[in-house]
Amino acid sequence: AAGVIQSPRHLIKEKRETATLKCYPIPRHDTVYWYQQGPGQDPQFLISFYEKMQSDKGSIPDRFSAQQFSDYHSELNMSSLELGDSALYFCASSFNRGHKNEQFFGPGTRLTVL
Amino acid sequence: QKEVEQNSGPLSVPEGAIASLNCTYSDRGSQSFFWYRQYSGKSPELIMSIYSNGDKEDGRFTAQLNKASQYVSLLIRDSQPSDSATYLCAAPGNTPLVFGKGTRLSVIA
Repeated sequence: AAGVIQSPRHLIKEKRETATLKCYPIPRHDTVYWYQQGPGQDPQFLISFYEKMQSDKGSIPDRFSAQQFSDYHSELNMSSLELGDSALYFCASSFNRGHKNEQFFGPGTRLTVL
Repeated sequence: QKEVEQNSGPLSVPEGAIASLNCTYSDRGSQSFFWYRQYSGKSPELIMSIYSNGDKEDGRFTAQLNKASQYVSLLIRDSQPSDSATYLCAAPGNTPLVFGKGTRLSVIA
């Protein structure tokens, strides 16, 4: 079965640079979520999109922005990168079924900020 | 603030034993609960979903939900070394997931 695709898988950036992470949800899934997971931490919700509209916003810094495109893929744009942004970034997708929407995670992008 | 609490462990069990993982949640309105397995450096993998009180079995895994006690658990029968991972409890289902801190399970051969 098709899974969530994320690119790139690894990314190394310098402080104050920008980064763009991409996510391709499972076909026919209409909702995309972005999570950040620091070392030894549980995943923290950043932002989500349902049918190309922002649906929820979590602890996403103002330096980050995201959008979902007409083909349902999503991009997380990160600017003025800081050392503390080094983390695993996961995208998850689901088909909205009310409280039963199971979220399936992509393999993640490991971002390292030097 | 919705909260999900888990014992961080580590929980060590011998191979072939039953591993029992527990989770409590604060939001009485939560209707859905999910168990994810996460290997170090990998993404969370959904292994069980449960929406109703009682037990739900899938292979070696059984999820148990008690809404009155705001308690959800995961039992892993015949534990294998490959089950060694961090298990994350998550709720609710119709908004972004709130994860517990995860329980680290170690199955000793």
